Amino acid sequence: SAVISQKPSRDICQRGTSLTIQCQVDSQVTMMFWYRQQPGQSLTLIATANQGSEATYESGFVIDKFPISRPNLTFSTLTVSNMSPEDSSIYLCSALRLDSYEQYFGPGTRLTVT
Amino acid sequence: AQTVTQSQPEMSVQEAETVTLSCTYDTSENNYYLFWYKQPPSRQMILVIRQEAYKQQNATENRFSVNFQKAAKSFSLKISDSQLGDTAMYFCAFMKRSTNDMRFGAGTRLTVKP
Repeated sequence: SAVISQKPSRDICQRGTSLTIQCQVDSQVTMMFWYRQQPGQSLTLIATANQGSEATYESGFVIDKFPISRPNLTFSTLTVSNMSPEDSSIYLCSALRLDSYEQYFGPGTRLTVT
Repeated sequence: AQTVTQSQPEMSVQEAETVTLSCTYDTSENNYYLFWYKQPPSRQMILVIRQEAYKQQNATENRFSVNFQKAAKSFSLKISDSQLGDTAMYFCAFMKRSTNDMRFGAGTRLTVKP
């Protein structure tokens, strides 16, 4: 298995500001992903975090709004830029081990934008 | 595009009884994985069970087992001897090998009653 930590666990931010969420995996994994989950709803994939290159974004998500970095195999960041109340959500990081095809998730970051 | 459908928004079961959660999916892929994840109120996503599409044998993990019907594109989860700690949201998920990104169903909220 893989243990994933996220920081911060929650935050309350003002409209127009930006927040960077950090994701750390305790072992080297091949792929890392970022998801958004509205309270009581399912998970929506934002992007695949690629090591050393630009992230691959899903339809409806753009780099200017959600810049992602992945400088090495165990660490990634997601920034939510120029926030609005509609960005209030839970953001989850996940990591996939290709040797077992098991995907593990971080505990999530609960973001509230006022 | 792959879609995952969970037709039961909510279910309940008495402690020690057996419950089955339904999941269907739509894909033209032949090489993929299917998963069930549990998300308790703590919101940590926990991998329950994984099935490889090319394996006909149904996966089993202790009290959890699946009924994988590839032709029907059905992937149900059976929980035997339900325990109070099984109370959670359960998400069915699909991942194709070519891209490794995961798509989730809407979830089923399971309540185990004492």
